[in-house]
Amino acid sequence: ELKVEQNPLFLSMQEEKNYTIYCNYSTTSDRLYWYRQDPGKSLESLFVLLSNGAVKQEGRLMASLDTKARLSTLHITAAVHDLSATYFCAVVPNSGYALNFGKGTSLLVTP
Amino acid sequence: DAMVIQNPRYQVTQFGKPVTLSCSQTLNHNVMYWYQQKSSQAPKLLFHYYDKDFNNEADTPDNFQSRRPNTSFCFLDIRSPGLGDAAMYLCATSRAGNEKLFFGSGTQLSVL
Repeated sequence: ELKVEQNPLFLSMQEEKNYTIYCNYSTTSDRLYWYRQDPGKSLESLFVLLSNGAVKQEGRLMASLDTKARLSTLHITAAVHDLSATYFCAVVPNSGYALNFGKGTSLLVTP
Repeated sequence: DAMVIQNPRYQVTQFGKPVTLSCSQTLNHNVMYWYQQKSSQAPKLLFHYYDKDFNNEADTPDNFQSRRPNTSFCFLDIRSPGLGDAAMYLCATSRAGNEKLFFGSGTQLSVL
């Protein structure tokens, strides 16, 4: 069974601080996705990482993938309140094509 | 705009009363998925269609069924909803060979 583990599950951080969310997975995969979800809303695609060493950046968020370590990181730089949301990583095993989600990291950015 | 559209946005049903949720797409994607997301939990894959081929997850209850009459539409049928089936139901699509999923806005189901 594929396991996708995120940590931390809850994160409260101050504005302008930096932090990293981690996503570990248990099977061979070189396809990993990050999504954002606001309360009561659907999922918004943030990053698509499709190879070892892939790094993508959008604004204050940067995602990376290490397929050998089976690890992805989502780094937040100089957080702002608008980044408050739940962030999910999701993995597609090389043997399949369905997304398997982590439990999500609930991020709260405070002044 | 090409989109994944779910109707209705909110659905209230009674315990045991069958309910159908709908999803349509204008992306002409091969694959359509149904996810269940309970409050403060990760989305959980119920099943998906790869073209006309239905793929059920092993732990999806028999109470949940799906139909895909054509490429554009997919339905989720809950035959006898229980209180534990209250959740957000998310439809998503992807093009075969490209796993980026496009999600609909979801249907929030309440069971009274």
